[in-house]
Amino acid sequence: AQTVTQSQPEMSVQEAETVTLSCTYDTSESNYYLFWYKQPPSRQMILVIRQEAYKQQNATENRFSVNFQKAAKSFSLKISDSQLGDTAMYFCAFMKNFGNEKLTFGTGTRLTIIP
Amino acid sequence: EAQVTQNPRYLITVTGKKLTVTCSQNMNHEYMSWYRQDPGLGLRQIYYSMNVEVTDKGDVPEGYKVSRKEKRNFPLILESPSPNQTSLYFCASTSRQGIAYGYTFGSGTRLTVV
Repeated sequence: AQTVTQSQPEMSVQEAETVTLSCTYDTSESNYYLFWYKQPPSRQMILVIRQEAYKQQNATENRFSVNFQKAAKSFSLKISDSQLGDTAMYFCAFMKNFGNEKLTFGTGTRLTIIP
Repeated sequence: EAQVTQNPRYLITVTGKKLTVTCSQNMNHEYMSWYRQDPGLGLRQIYYSMNVEVTDKGDVPEGYKVSRKEKRNFPLILESPSPNQTSLYFCASTSRQGIAYGYTFGSGTRLTVV
């Protein structure tokens, strides 16, 4: 079974600074997908960024980028120029390519952006 | 607007009183799932469906039932709710072609069982 570990339950950073959220996972699969979801106080789950395991290039979406290290099974999220609207719970999630396409989530990191 | 609609948004009920949380998507998605979110545990899959009349258990199915009679609907049924089912519930859907882009989530149902 796959597991996802987020070792930072809470983080805080000053507005406009850069912050990195950690995520590691354990799997025997070679082909899979990784995701970061954001959950603001509204509790809506919002997809931030995704990575396909067979692609070596790290995904980037505007101020959000990942550092994907397949051999180390690490998938960290970097938020540059952080904004107050980035305050949220962030979940790392794993999904294998075949099967029930279940998302396996980490326990989340609560990020607070300080004005 | 493409979306997953869950109802109700909030629900307080008493132990043992059967309830149904509805979920509907308008994107013609094949895959639908239910998750529950608990503090310190993240989100865990309860049940999933890969298409009409095809459902299977996730990681925490005890105490729950589902059905998929129509492609767009995937209700979650708690036949005899207990306090340990107090949680935040999410329905999510995706398509076979769009699986690499993750799931679209509903806005959640906050259930309290007293």
